[in-house]
Amino acid sequence: SQKIEQNSEALNIQEGKTATLTCNYTNYSPAYLQWYRQDPGRGPVFLLLIRENEKEKRKERLKVTFDTTLKQSLFHITASQPADSATYLCAVGAGGGNKLTFGTGTQLKVEL
Amino acid sequence: DVKVTQSSRYLVKRTGEKVFLECVQDMDHENMFWYRQDPGLGLRLIYFSYDVKMKEKGDIPEGYSVSREKKERFSLILESASTNQTSMYLCASSPPTKLTDTQYFGPGTRLTVL
Repeated sequence: SQKIEQNSEALNIQEGKTATLTCNYTNYSPAYLQWYRQDPGRGPVFLLLIRENEKEKRKERLKVTFDTTLKQSLFHITASQPADSATYLCAVGAGGGNKLTFGTGTQLKVEL
Repeated sequence: DVKVTQSSRYLVKRTGEKVFLECVQDMDHENMFWYRQDPGLGLRLIYFSYDVKMKEKGDIPEGYSVSREKKERFSLILESASTNQTSMYLCASSPPTKLTDTQYFGPGTRLTVL
């Protein structure tokens, strides 16, 4: 069956360190993978998209990698700040107006 | 900026009531989606729509129906609410591009069914 797995345990890191979150998928051949941020009581907000033919994508302090052989994406936040504390969701899609399928998300806590 | 609004942030209903959740987007997006989000289960797709008067079942459509009479509005209907429909409901829209399907979410409606 199709599955998208994110670490369900919260990730606690110190301010200034790099946070790395993992998204693994099985039985998908996604055209792209997306990352969203969700704050408590709010809807997810789109952060980054990486296509199947891209290895890495960056946006400010964010970096996403996509390994279609390992069926895995890594999401990095460098120089993390307490304001980065949130739940981060990955989503895969086939493209062409199809729906997205979301992982359950990983909660990140950045401590002073 | 894309804006997706939902009719209520919090809603409390009784078992057996008919419940309407409204979603409006202001960016002329063709695609609209309804999800529910529960702890440990993540976002699960209930229904989606690619155009006015069109709808498709998502992963968990049982107990729900939808209506899309206008492009900007997508309604989720619980015909007879039950306690297991207590959840956070999220609406999203996406533009008709064929490459990204980035979704823009509303703030969510936390529904409690007593």
